[in-house]
Amino acid sequence: SAVISQKPSRDICQRGTSLTIQCQVDSQVTMMFWYRQQPGQSLTLIATANQGSEATYESGFVIDKFPISRPNLTFSTLTVSNMSPEDSSIYLCSVAEDGNYGYTFGSGTRLTVV
Amino acid sequence: QKEVEQNSGPLSVPEGAIASLNCTYSDRGSQSFFWYRQYSGKSPELIMSIYSNGDKEDGRFTAQLNKASQYVSLLIRDSQPSDSATYLCAVKIGSNDYKLSFGAGTTVTVRA
Repeated sequence: SAVISQKPSRDICQRGTSLTIQCQVDSQVTMMFWYRQQPGQSLTLIATANQGSEATYESGFVIDKFPISRPNLTFSTLTVSNMSPEDSSIYLCSVAEDGNYGYTFGSGTRLTVV
Repeated sequence: QKEVEQNSGPLSVPEGAIASLNCTYSDRGSQSFFWYRQYSGKSPELIMSIYSNGDKEDGRFTAQLNKASQYVSLLIRDSQPSDSATYLCAVKIGSNDYKLSFGAGTTVTVRA
């Protein structure tokens, strides 16, 4: 399965600032996703990162708050903009190498906004 | 109605016992089903996938799928303390989408 390098692994940020999270995959993958996991909760899909075009956002998530880039088939970034304490979560990237054979997750970014 | 629902936990079982985890889903068109294990502070790790009705066994883990009842389960046999984790049921909703929808998770504690 694909190996995903996600960074930073954790950060503490001031409210009102932005943080960019990077996700690097060791092979080309078509489907890449960004999830959020709030404390004690399950995973919520933020968006699907599309190579060469705008990301597809889920209900409740907007591009201005969570801009995503996907310049090629091995790399994507998620930016959390104008952060507030409510954005404190774990952010995870995920890839689907084959639509039917499971999805692999990066190690996650633990974000704390103070 | 949530897309994916799991039986509420936490679930505590003695070492060596069977842990049984249940999951139901709302979309009859769903074709792919996954169980992930997530240790505290770690990212989810895929442990089982199942696509056809019936049972699928992998070591001490058995996944069971019943599409007519829209039900998928995971059995952990001979539970070990290392199995203590949160187990997440994930469903690829519908037949043409690549997005996964996750249940809330069931936390399992195996007592030594």
